Amino acid sequence: GDSVTQMEGPVTLSEEAFLTINCTYTATGYPSLFWYVQYPGEGLQLLLKATKADDKGSNKGFEATYRKETTSFHLEKGSVQVSDSAVYFCALIGVSSGSARQLTFGSGTQLTVLP
Amino acid sequence: EAGVTQSPTHLIKTRGQQATLRCSPISGHTSVYWYQQALGLGLQFLLWYDEGEERNRGNFPPRFSGRQFPNYSSELNVNALELEDSALYLCASSLEGGLRNEQYFGPGTRLTVT
Repeated sequence: GDSVTQMEGPVTLSEEAFLTINCTYTATGYPSLFWYVQYPGEGLQLLLKATKADDKGSNKGFEATYRKETTSFHLEKGSVQVSDSAVYFCALIGVSSGSARQLTFGSGTQLTVLP
Repeated sequence: EAGVTQSPTHLIKTRGQQATLRCSPISGHTSVYWYQQALGLGLQFLLWYDEGEERNRGNFPPRFSGRQFPNYSSELNVNALELEDSALYLCASSLEGGLRNEQYFGPGTRLTVT
């Protein structure tokens, strides 16, 4: 079945540092790929998405590129802020009938940004 | 535009009781999804409803059930509660259940079973 493997956390960075959170997936065909963010005590917010190979999703300074050849969707940001502290989830929606419309999530990566 | 809303925010039940959780999707969205976020188990897909019908179900026992009403709001019922059902239950909605349609999440209902 479909699966998502995320970089183990927690990750602690200083403000203005460069961020990379690795994400790789296993799925047939061309799944849709997503990054969600969860702030303390809240639900999930969609951060960005990509639906086909070589697509780049971007939002709020975050970027991720859909790499079919390496089955990866790594999240990057050039300069993190304290307000970016949250848990980040990589996820996919597969194309097989058995995974119809359900999001399959990675385990999440806790990011803490220090001032 | 209002987002996905869920009620109640918190729910405390005793083992063996039943819990009912409610969700209202974003206006215009017809698909509703339920996910469980349990400590140590991550986010797991529970149920998908579209146009009033159950379309897909995750690997959960039958005591987890739900329904979708004509106004597209949804209810999740958990019968015979067990301690391990304690979790954050998240509802999401999307347009028409399309393959590429992103899902938008509500704030969740925190269920505690004692």
